[in-house]
Amino acid sequence: QKEVEQDPGPLSVPEGAIVSLNCTYSNSAFQYFMWYRQYSRKGPELLMYTYSSGNKEDGRFTAQVDKSSKYISLFIRDSQPSDSATYLCAMSAVGGKLIFGQGTELSVKP
Amino acid sequence: KAGVTQTPRYLIKTRGQQVTLSCSPISGHRSVSWYQQTPGQGLQFLFEYFSETQRNKGNFPGRFSGRQFSNSRSEMNVSTLELGDSALYLCASRQGLATSTDTQYFGPGTRLTVL
Repeated sequence: QKEVEQDPGPLSVPEGAIVSLNCTYSNSAFQYFMWYRQYSRKGPELLMYTYSSGNKEDGRFTAQVDKSSKYISLFIRDSQPSDSATYLCAMSAVGGKLIFGQGTELSVKP
Repeated sequence: KAGVTQTPRYLIKTRGQQVTLSCSPISGHRSVSWYQQTPGQGLQFLFEYFSETQRNKGNFPGRFSGRQFSNSRSEMNVSTLELGDSALYLCASRQGLATSTDTQYFGPGTRLTVL
């Protein structure tokens, strides 16, 4: 069993939809949780960063962490075609290496 | 500020050969990490260097090695290439080390194809 599980999709939604992306994990030592976005032929870029449990909002993006359930989510409101990319969750323990999910391929149709 | 740069961007090698990939971190960043990305396994951590010392290592065979220079630039070497080594190799840099509050910035990657 992988330490971090993420549904690879692909996920296709119409423009303007609310998108929900999720990851589960097994290592209770994880304290830092991140979401990266990766466009085709590019390296991943950091979207959201959260420490421990709670919510964080940045524009149309909201990250949630539920450590009791070992579950993290990324919500995208009013999705745009430019949001079409692969979204990767990543997490680490203090002083630990970054562990990535498989990535979810998202397509937002105009 | 310039981003993380990686060279070359594309590489084709044959089985048994060796390859060296290069990464230049963002100016002022002292930590460099390497990752392998494949469709089947996703993004997997190879190793991290800080101040020319390997600080963390993933679960890859000894054929994969790296080093970091005094200017923080890093190289990754893969010897005796296998077909399964075909992947996108990503380099990421950050200012500090392993506190995890430092954001990692990724380069565009080197696409390695082993024939």
